[in-house]
Amino acid sequence: DTGVSQDPRHKITKRGQNVTFRCDPISEHNRLYWYRQTLGQGPEFLTYFQNEAQLEKSRLLSDRFSAERPKGSFSTLEIQRTEQGDSAMYLCASSRPNREGVSLNYGYTFGSGTRLTVV
Amino acid sequence: LAKTTQPISMDSYEGQEVNITCSHNNIATNDYITWYQQFPSQGPRFIIQGYKTKVTNEVASLFIPADRKSSTLSLPRVSLSDTAVYYCLVGPLGGNQGGKLIFGQGTELSVKP
Repeated sequence: DTGVSQDPRHKITKRGQNVTFRCDPISEHNRLYWYRQTLGQGPEFLTYFQNEAQLEKSRLLSDRFSAERPKGSFSTLEIQRTEQGDSAMYLCASSRPNREGVSLNYGYTFGSGTRLTVV
Repeated sequence: LAKTTQPISMDSYEGQEVNITCSHNNIATNDYITWYQQFPSQGPRFIIQGYKTKVTNEVASLFIPADRKSSTLSLPRVSLSDTAVYYCLVGPLGGNQGGKLIFGQGTELSVKP
């Protein structure tokens, strides 16, 4: 297992186009998270899944954003009608709760991200 | 949620010890302190985590005073490859509700030859 994989690494798109990113978590991790990071800022939480269920969405996730994890394995994040303000690094992370149901921080693994540029 | 304050940037030279302090005045009883490192074009990577006193691993040490209102990440004998952004996070073990992590702006450490 090579960790959390994200594809593509870079995406340049024209304003108004739709884009979709993919995240493959560590296989035994049942929690999957999406974050967005703009230049000079720390990552901001967008949404997370436990298995296939999407349990929380941030206010940052507008109606143009949708995330899925249909089989509880990989996840996709789609942005419709992209805007220049969507330009950012989109990070995926996964974790595995311990027996008490708590995810230990040192079990939290990030991918290398997808850098989106909207022109 | 406990808010953290840390310097925006720090400069150092190779071989020096670097100490990055983080303030978290309203830390809760069940909150842990966790530090992440992020290189350009990569996701954050866990460095160290602690609750009180001192924690040491092969990468760094974490010093937490008795009142837990601050913490200091210590990197011994830094090298050019330690140039990165360092984030201090405070929250329950396993992250906040659902396991999400709350990042601040981080400290950009620049190590010079």
